[in-house]
Amino acid sequence: DVKVTQSSRYLVKRTGEKVFLECVQDMDHENMFWYRQDPGLGLRLIYFSYDVKMKEKGDIPEGYSVSREKKERFSLILESASTNQTSMYLCASSEGQGAYEQYFGPGTRLTVT
Amino acid sequence: GENVEQHPSTLSVQEGDSAVIKCTYSDSASNYFPWYKQELGKRPQLIIDIRSNVGEKKDQRIAVTLNKTAKHFSLHITETQPEDSAVYFCAAGYGNNRLAFGKGNQVVVIP
Repeated sequence: DVKVTQSSRYLVKRTGEKVFLECVQDMDHENMFWYRQDPGLGLRLIYFSYDVKMKEKGDIPEGYSVSREKKERFSLILESASTNQTSMYLCASSEGQGAYEQYFGPGTRLTVT
Repeated sequence: GENVEQHPSTLSVQEGDSAVIKCTYSDSASNYFPWYKQELGKRPQLIIDIRSNVGEKKDQRIAVTLNKTAKHFSLHITETQPEDSAVYFCAAGYGNNRLAFGKGNQVVVIP
């Protein structure tokens, strides 16, 4: 079974703080993704990575950056958290080029106060 | 990029009845169409998918149909049970690796 884990289930941060969300997958997948999920808006892609040190912007990258130093780990960084970044953040992974099936982590509920 | 739309947003059905959720997509080059189920407080999980070389796929009580000409695909759940209550997301694969998701449908099965 593919296992995708995220470092925290719940996180509370203050406005202006730097926030790191970590995601780890154990199936040697090449692709990793960060989404945010908001009620009525579905899953929106923030960034994805198709290889170590490679990244591409998704649909809503503003205010976020990512890091992929190792194949199994993909980090989402909020350089200066704002209240409008309060959301559920979901990480996912998939095998490789042309492999669309994505496996999701449990999510991190981030609240920025 | 790809744009996926899902209707209706909320669907209530009596236990034992069928539920149908329909999605439309915009990119005719898309060739992979999965459906994810997300129960309350849990992660989205793939329940069924279809590729563009087939028109229908079934797995027990769930089925997906695809109409490439009209660019729409549907999820059918028969003999609904309370455990089918969840949010269902459709998606379309595009580019090499990406999925574009619909906004989700809340399905409520009334016992």
